[in-house]
Amino acid sequence: LAKTTQPISMDSYEGQEVNITCSHNNIATNDYITWYQQFPSQGPRFIIQGYKTKVTNEVASLFIPADRKSSTLSLPRVSLSDTAVYYCLVGGTGTASKLTFGTGTRLQVTL
Amino acid sequence: GAVVSQHPSWVICKSGTSVKIECRSLDFQATTMFWYRQFPKQSLMLMATSNEGSKATYEQGVEKDKFLINHASLTLSTLTVTSAHPEDSSFYICSAREDQGGFTEAFFGQGTRLTVV
Repeated sequence: LAKTTQPISMDSYEGQEVNITCSHNNIATNDYITWYQQFPSQGPRFIIQGYKTKVTNEVASLFIPADRKSSTLSLPRVSLSDTAVYYCLVGGTGTASKLTFGTGTRLQVTL
Repeated sequence: GAVVSQHPSWVICKSGTSVKIECRSLDFQATTMFWYRQFPKQSLMLMATSNEGSKATYEQGVEKDKFLINHASLTLSTLTVTSAHPEDSSFYICSAREDQGGFTEAFFGQGTRLTVV
């Protein structure tokens, strides 16, 4: 299972765009990249998932370069409620694939 | 989106007793379930992976006789912490996934705060 590396923490002001980069140098061909958000004392919540290039949904964008050795989660115009821990996971398909979390990035948004 | 319900949300038990935590997938068939433990300000640590009808696969360092996992149906998995001790106090989270071929999203329960006194 590919190991991920993320910054431990980031700070941002409300209204700014936040980009969190995750390194996954050992990503396998059939691995997808998924980002989760976790608030204190809650289970993680799915944000976005991608395989290559760019994926966008109503809350975030995910940029994946051609070599897929890294990915960047982009949160447009963050608000105070986006203060949370963000986890990048890489994993493959099928019943044998595990879901292992790295250290995550603690994002603090202030006024 | 799909919902995973975890119960109870919190529990306090006496040292030496056992505690059971339930994890239910409410609107999909959970072919694979994961159990995690999370200590304050730390990441989720995978404890075990279970497939319906099969024995759970435990991660290295996790005592299978202490953390009993049962995945008897496609909608229910249970984690029983046996002979609990204060060091077992933690936040336990389950996750469920319906494997259909191709990558599928895993959904998480709201977690269970276990305090052993």
